Amino acid sequence: EADIYQTPRYLVIGTGKKITLECSQTMGHDKMYWYQQDPGMELHLIHYSYGVNSTEKGDLSSESTVSRIRTEHFPLTLESARPSHTSQYLCASSAPDRRGANVLTFGAGSRLTVL
Amino acid sequence: KNQVEQSPQSLIILEGKNCTLQCNYTVSPFSNLRWYKQDTGRGPVSLTIMTFSENTKSNGRYTATLDADTKQSSLHITASQLSDSASYICVVSDRGSTLGRLYFGRGTQLTVWP
Repeated sequence: EADIYQTPRYLVIGTGKKITLECSQTMGHDKMYWYQQDPGMELHLIHYSYGVNSTEKGDLSSESTVSRIRTEHFPLTLESARPSHTSQYLCASSAPDRRGANVLTFGAGSRLTVL
Repeated sequence: KNQVEQSPQSLIILEGKNCTLQCNYTVSPFSNLRWYKQDTGRGPVSLTIMTFSENTKSNGRYTATLDADTKQSSLHITASQLSDSASYICVVSDRGSTLGRLYFGRGTQLTVWP
């Protein structure tokens, strides 16, 4: 079982609320990622981090922000949620395998619904 | 444009039957190709990963093939089980950066019926 945990698994909130999706990993991985996934669609990278105090925006523009104060923790925050933010958010971490390939381990995801 | 295309979009088979899922990609320069299984409401779990020099890789009843010349991969599932019902995602990594940018397919939704 993957050692990467996301909370909450499901969240239903009203428009304008501030939310934080938590992600923690116990594998000591330096690289961590946030992906957004809508039903039947591919995963889109919205944020990533190479390590502590490193955060970068991904390919898909997102109004969310992230922080990386500790290696194991990579929370995602929405200051003012809107219905367009309704989606599945997947956190992942990675480390190179013996061939140098970056292998991702995903969390179970956080399903966000904004009313 | 770097893309990953999967087919079919969805597939229904009977328990015990075999099936093959397809993945075509245009990602260049190519680094590796992965197949992930994603159960409904869960995160993807890695099944196989293949580099340029590998043309087949097995993981139990799952066998992935890679033809780097035609830029095609397939995932063959043998003697399907009900627990194989899931979305199977093909992911291709390039060699363009330290991070190794990942390109995701939309997945094939497999349903196994008893």
